[in-house]
Amino acid sequence: AQKVTQTQTSISVVEKTTVTMDCVYETRDSSYFLFWYKQTASGEIVFLIRQDSYKKENATVGHYSLNFQKPKSSIGLIITATQIEDSAVYFCAMRENYNQGKLIFGQGTKLSIKP
Amino acid sequence: ETAVFQTPNYHVTQVGNEVSFNCKQTLGHDTMYWYKQDSKKLLKIMFSYNNKQLIVNETVPRRFSPQSSDKAHLNLRIKSVEPEDSAVYLCASSLGHSDYTFGSGTRLLVI
Repeated sequence: AQKVTQTQTSISVVEKTTVTMDCVYETRDSSYFLFWYKQTASGEIVFLIRQDSYKKENATVGHYSLNFQKPKSSIGLIITATQIEDSAVYFCAMRENYNQGKLIFGQGTKLSIKP
Repeated sequence: ETAVFQTPNYHVTQVGNEVSFNCKQTLGHDTMYWYKQDSKKLLKIMFSYNNKQLIVNETVPRRFSPQSSDKAHLNLRIKSVEPEDSAVYLCASSLGHSDYTFGSGTRLLVI
């Protein structure tokens, strides 16, 4: 069965540092897609970055990058040079190639950036 | 403006009433979804439609029913709401294996 797990409930770091958020997933599909989303205080959910399972190179977008470790079924999100506005809840999600396109979410990690 | 639009933003109702939420996307996507986000922020898929056809129907109470008139619209009706239905209902859309675009959500409070 498809499952996504984020064990870090909350993280607090000082501004301008680097933070890593963990995510592990379970799937029986050989082809799948992994995503990270951010939910701001207003409730808006915004797509950040994705990793396709068949790609070996870690995805990078702006100051977001991924640490994809396929043998460990792990997809960590790394945010470098954090800013106050990065404070939000971050969700990891997975979509299997043949499972009707359902996007399954992890429990979320609340990130707080302190000045 | 291209996006996913949800109405209303907020709705308060009493136990046993019927409510209906609207969702429209102007992104040209072919698939739309309803998610429920509870008080612990957990996001769970409820339904999805692809080109007006229901393709995902998770285990939700029968009082919930989705309605789609075309691929740009997906509404959600709840007959006889119960207190546990209090949550944020999020509509989203996608094209193929693309990422989802979410609406701003409808917060439902059942009293």
